[in-house]
Amino acid sequence: EAQVTQNPRYLITVTGKKLTVTCSQNMNHEYMSWYRQDPGLGLRQIYYSMNVEVTDKGDVPEGYKVSRKEKRNFPLILESPSPNQTSLYFCASRSLSTSGRYNEQFFGPGTRLTVL
Amino acid sequence: GDSVTQMEGPVTLSEEAFLTINCTYTATGYPSLFWYVQYPGEGLQLLLKATKADDKGSNKGFEATYRKETTSFHLEKGSVQVSDSAVYFCALMDSNYQLIWGAGTKLIIKP
Repeated sequence: EAQVTQNPRYLITVTGKKLTVTCSQNMNHEYMSWYRQDPGLGLRQIYYSMNVEVTDKGDVPEGYKVSRKEKRNFPLILESPSPNQTSLYFCASRSLSTSGRYNEQFFGPGTRLTVL
Repeated sequence: GDSVTQMEGPVTLSEEAFLTINCTYTATGYPSLFWYVQYPGEGLQLLLKATKADDKGSNKGFEATYRKETTSFHLEKGSVQVSDSAVYFCALMDSNYQLIWGAGTKLIIKP
């Protein structure tokens, strides 16, 4: 089954304790992205990657890191989480074929993070 | 920069009512337009899309027409069901192939 998986689904942590949210896709997609979703603010992009070893900042990258060492994985790293990073996080992927402008973006189920 | 504006929610309707969720956009050129839906506790999934002016996207009884003259892509359904309760996001793909998202509209359907 084609899917994007994220782990963990729920996480409660404390300020300053480094954490990683994993994201994996099995569709051989070139493009992967991380978003955060907050009430009234919709989806805001954190980082994205067009291919292995290529990453770029989105709209709200501060306090986050990513890496793209393999095509299927795109982990999100919070080196020193703070309460304002409490949010619902989504990973997504899509193909960048020659008609990639119109390719559907697939989302993971989300990770609800609470930073105390 | 490019932007998408959606009507604020929540939108509350009775079952079998007619639905319209407004979406307007600002963009250079003629971007592809999308509606995504997020059911409770799930990630977003593509509902429909339109890639050029006057295109009509449709799926699951929902429709949206790409209106260049009014820069709009309103979502409509003739008769909603309780199972349509979800958050609906309008989006466009900009010239850098990035998706620009609206804030989302929560739809509540009462039996």
